[in-house]
Amino acid sequence: EVQLVESGGGSVQPGGSLRLSCAASGFTLGSFTMSWVRQAPGEGLEWISYISPGNHAVYYGDSVKGRFTVSRDNAKSLLFLQMNTLRAADTAIYYCARVICSGTTCYSDYWGQGTLVTVSS
Amino acid sequence: SYVLPQPPSVSVAPGETATITCGGDNLRGKSVHWYQQKPGQAPIVVIYFDSDRPSGIPERFSGSNSGNTATLTISRVEAGDEADYYCQVWNSGSDHPFVFGTGTKVTVL
Repeated sequence: EVQLVESGGGSVQPGGSLRLSCAASGFTLGSFTMSWVRQAPGEGLEWISYISPGNHAVYYGDSVKGRFTVSRDNAKSLLFLQMNTLRAADTAIYYCARVICSGTTCYSDYWGQGTLVTVSS
Repeated sequence: SYVLPQPPSVSVAPGETATITCGGDNLRGKSVHWYQQKPGQAPIVVIYFDSDRPSGIPERFSGSNSGNTATLTISRVEAGDEADYYCQVWNSGSDHPFVFGTGTKVTVL
């Protein structure tokens, strides 16, 4: 059974840092593109990052570019999101999701339950 | 940037049909995927590649894509279908390839 479990969320002051982890099981993490998606309170889904299986392609949304870094440890089946210089606008539930690509399209077939990040003074 | 507008809300009586649209420039050239998100839960995919349905998703859920509009149709709506629904496309060649729609709240009357 495919499972994704996020951890590392919590409360942090503006300007602070957090590192989120996503533990994958039930599949070989190294064979899949993975993404991070967040959802601010009462808002819609916002894609923020993805990383290809071999780390050849890494992309970030404009709102986090230069502040967030995605990485992976395929041997330990872990996906990470290092978040620096956090702002109040980064307050959200953060989901990791497995990405399935075929031809010229991709979508997320499995999602974790999310971890809440609150940025407040 | 690529935008996928959706109607903010759709209301439907039990047993009736709910139709959710997703628009965008040149949508015909892209596959559209749909997610359902119930309160306090993570999203799940209900339609992928325009009209394919994952195992476990009822046949009442169907999708289509023509012109500049994609459509998610929920037939014989049940109370348990009340949720937010998001469309999504992969905008290949862009630095921001993963694009979600604005989301539609489906309310079962």
